Amino acid sequence: EIVLTQSPAILSLSPGERATLSCRASQSVGTFLAWYQQKNGQAPRLLIYDVSKRATGIPDRFSGSGSGTNFTLTISSLEPEDIAVYYCQQRGNWPPVLTFGGGTKLEIK
Amino acid sequence: QVQLQESGPGLVKPSETLSLTCSVSDDSINAYHWNWIRQSPGKGLEWIGYAHYSGSTNYNPSLKSRVTMSVETSKKQISLKLSSVTAADTAIYYCARLIGQYRFDVWGQGTLVTVSS
Repeated sequence: EIVLTQSPAILSLSPGERATLSCRASQSVGTFLAWYQQKNGQAPRLLIYDVSKRATGIPDRFSGSGSGTNFTLTISSLEPEDIAVYYCQQRGNWPPVLTFGGGTKLEIK
Repeated sequence: QVQLQESGPGLVKPSETLSLTCSVSDDSINAYHWNWIRQSPGKGLEWIGYAHYSGSTNYNPSLKSRVTMSVETSKKQISLKLSSVTAADTAIYYCARLIGQYRFDVWGQGTLVTVSS
């Protein structure tokens, strides 16, 4: 089973700064890599899928990149409403288990 | 936009079976795979499994021996049964729609289930 490791666990930045969140897979996941945003008390929301495609309605300050085992979610200029926990997620080929990373908590200074 | 609503008991006794239902707001229930995902208090997300109206299912190996999921088309509902629960099964349980083979594009609001005597 593929394990996703996210870093850092906590990221504290100021509004307007650039945020870079990392997701590392224990083996290659191809392009089956998505990112979610979960605000306090809410269900997760799909941000990015297929490594770099933005989901419907997601602002263009959110972008995804990477390949193989190393992936990055970038928020180009932080807004106060970006306070959330961000999760990466993938699907293994076999077994076809869907797994999430442990999350990165983004705090705004 | 389709909406999902989870429902079921908020309190389950240890060793009993947790039973939840997810209601789908439109007629798309036959078109997708429907998932249950849980989140223990203050923890990350754990995929439980998915079910399709055809009867096809896929469960997380870590829970497979205790999980049963099914789709009831006429009621537009997806059910989850988790047997022999312990305190470790205390979590918010989410229903979510699967698209593109792996990603979840629509989520319910979640329902908290506490396992306690």
